Amino acid sequence: QSVLTQPPSVSGAPGQRVTISCTGSTSNIGALYDVHWYQQLPGKAPKLLIYGNDKRPSGVPGRFSGSRSGTSASLAITGLQAEDEGNYYCQSYDSSLTGPDRVFGGGTKLTVL
Amino acid sequence: QLRLQESGPGLVKPSETLSLTCAVSGGSISSDSHYWAWIRQPPGKGLDWIASIFYGGSTYFHPSLKSRVTISVDTSTNQFSLKLHSAAAADTAIYYCARQLRGSSGYFDFWGQGSLVTVSS
Repeated sequence: QSVLTQPPSVSGAPGQRVTISCTGSTSNIGALYDVHWYQQLPGKAPKLLIYGNDKRPSGVPGRFSGSRSGTSASLAITGLQAEDEGNYYCQSYDSSLTGPDRVFGGGTKLTVL
Repeated sequence: QLRLQESGPGLVKPSETLSLTCAVSGGSISSDSHYWAWIRQPPGKGLDWIASIFYGGSTYFHPSLKSRVTISVDTSTNQFSLKLHSAAAADTAIYYCARQLRGSSGYFDFWGQGSLVTVSS
């Protein structure tokens, strides 16, 4: 059971927009700790996609955007492309002393139809 | 461009120690702005942070693994290492090393390619 909850899967046709949610609690996202997103393409290592809730590292297309509100965060992908198919993970900091302080969501598999 | 590369045995027997090293190139491990982390991914599952170390030696661990994990850094060779003692089948995973921004907002901005470690007799 992950500290951050993501839907197991989402799908969309090429060119469409999809969103992936990441739900936390008052000890992580709700405490205003930053949310980061990673993209893991099949057989590859994770890659930083969004950091600090809504910032894109150099080289990440503008089709990817992030937001945070309350105890949740979202990743939006517009103009969906076949090469976007893979797994997406959110990550944040958790201030609960009983668990790890770097926490990931369980991951969302994006399928491009 | 920073590059991280994991190395170590791909097969470990149950109850033995899993050992991995991460070689950092294209930048210094002696960065005041970063920690260096180990993250693992069991086959077909999600990501789990294991531990992080600062070049000065400060460390912190996943509470459930703390009793079995040793992490160290060697600034002379620009490498850091992980040892997971008393390995069990549940430790079978792809192990990634990564650079982590220092601070509570710390994200993992550079990752190694990953090293699959199987714990089996």
